[in-house]
Amino acid sequence: AQSVSQHNHHVILSEAASLELGCNYSYGGTVNLFWYVQYPGQHLQLLLKYFSGDPLVKGIKGFEAEFIKSKFSFNLRKPSVQWSDTAEYFCAVNARGAAGNKLTFGGGTRVLVKP
Amino acid sequence: EAGVVQSPRYKIIEKKQPVAFWCNPISGHNTLYWYLQNLGQGPELLIRYENEEAVDDSQLPKDRFSAERLKGVDSTLKIQPAELGDSAVYLCASSSLEGEQFFGPGTRLTVL
Repeated sequence: AQSVSQHNHHVILSEAASLELGCNYSYGGTVNLFWYVQYPGQHLQLLLKYFSGDPLVKGIKGFEAEFIKSKFSFNLRKPSVQWSDTAEYFCAVNARGAAGNKLTFGGGTRVLVKP
Repeated sequence: EAGVVQSPRYKIIEKKQPVAFWCNPISGHNTLYWYLQNLGQGPELLIRYENEEAVDDSQLPKDRFSAERLKGVDSTLKIQPAELGDSAVYLCASSSLEGEQFFGPGTRLTVL
């Protein structure tokens, strides 16, 4: 069975600081990878996704993520955060072909950006 | 384009009472998902439908939980009877086959 681990439960940083959120998964086969964001009071939204090709994926709002297959990682980055990036971030994995389009989520990382 | 619609947004009930949640997916999306999200955790899949067929309900506690998607469009998730530990957010999502999942706002259930 696949599993997803997000190393940081809470991150606090100031505006303009750089952000990196770790995500590791355990599954030996081919995967699709996702980062979702949940802003306060809003529903889950897709930030970016990786299916194949260039392992450096660019998403919305200046976010990017890098898939490192050898490390089973898909870390999320943003060079300079804004107060509006305060949210909870979830990494998710879909084991391609194994069980249909079933997402397994990590536990989430709460990010607080201080103005 | 309208997103995934869920109702109610909030529900407070006493333990042992029944409760039902409703979801209307994005038009044209054949796949519908119900997730459970406990506080401080990521969503966990309860059941997945392809059209009206439940193709993955392995994580659904069938002694008290049931779901239906009779006409392959909207869906209802029911808990009977509810227990204190069922307090959580119940999320509905939909997708085209193998496509991106779009999530609704969720129903926050509190069982007293």
